[in-house]
Amino acid sequence: GENVEQHPSTLSVQEGDSAVIKCTYSDSASNYFPWYKQELGKRPQLIIDIRSNVGEKKDQRIAVTLNKTAKHFSLHITETQPEDSAVYFCAALTGSSYKLIFGSGTRLLVRP
Amino acid sequence: KAGVTQTPRYLIKTRGQQVTLSCSPISGHRSVSWYQQTPGQGLQFLFEYFSETQRNKGNFPGRFSGRQFSNSRSEMNVSTLELGDSALYLCASSPGPESYNEQFFGPGTRLTVL
Repeated sequence: GENVEQHPSTLSVQEGDSAVIKCTYSDSASNYFPWYKQELGKRPQLIIDIRSNVGEKKDQRIAVTLNKTAKHFSLHITETQPEDSAVYFCAALTGSSYKLIFGSGTRLLVRP
Repeated sequence: KAGVTQTPRYLIKTRGQQVTLSCSPISGHRSVSWYQQTPGQGLQFLFEYFSETQRNKGNFPGRFSGRQFSNSRSEMNVSTLELGDSALYLCASSPGPESYNEQFFGPGTRLTVL
């Protein structure tokens, strides 16, 4: 079935270090991969996305890479700051049913 | 421009009851999606509406239903509530179907089933 796996479930880094969150998807026809950030008690917010015709996309300290052959994509956060602490969700838009399937989330803690 | 709003924000029900949640999209947005968020399962897609028609449905039992009105406002209904239905229900609106890069979430309705 349509599935997105996300790892790790929790990640603790020192301020200034990099953080990497990885996701794999099952539907090879998936063509759109957004990442959401959800701070405690708040709604998810789109922070970056990538389409299947692009291998990498950057926006300041965050970047996303996509490997279509392996069916996995990753979020990279460089020079982490305490305000980056949140739960991050990856998602994949399935190509056949056009549903947005989410990963189970990664709780990122940036230690000052 | 006002964001996505959801009412009520909190709800407590008992098993067997039914509940109706409401979502008002951003002005001009015609697509509304609903998600269930639980600590163990993350965000799970419930359904998507566009132009008063359900375009997509996730893997939830028939107790979960929804509808969309001509002003794009949407409601979801859960009948015969079970303990496992306790969750944060989020709706999200976007200008049209599959315009997920312009999708914005509401604050959610936290449903507790006792």
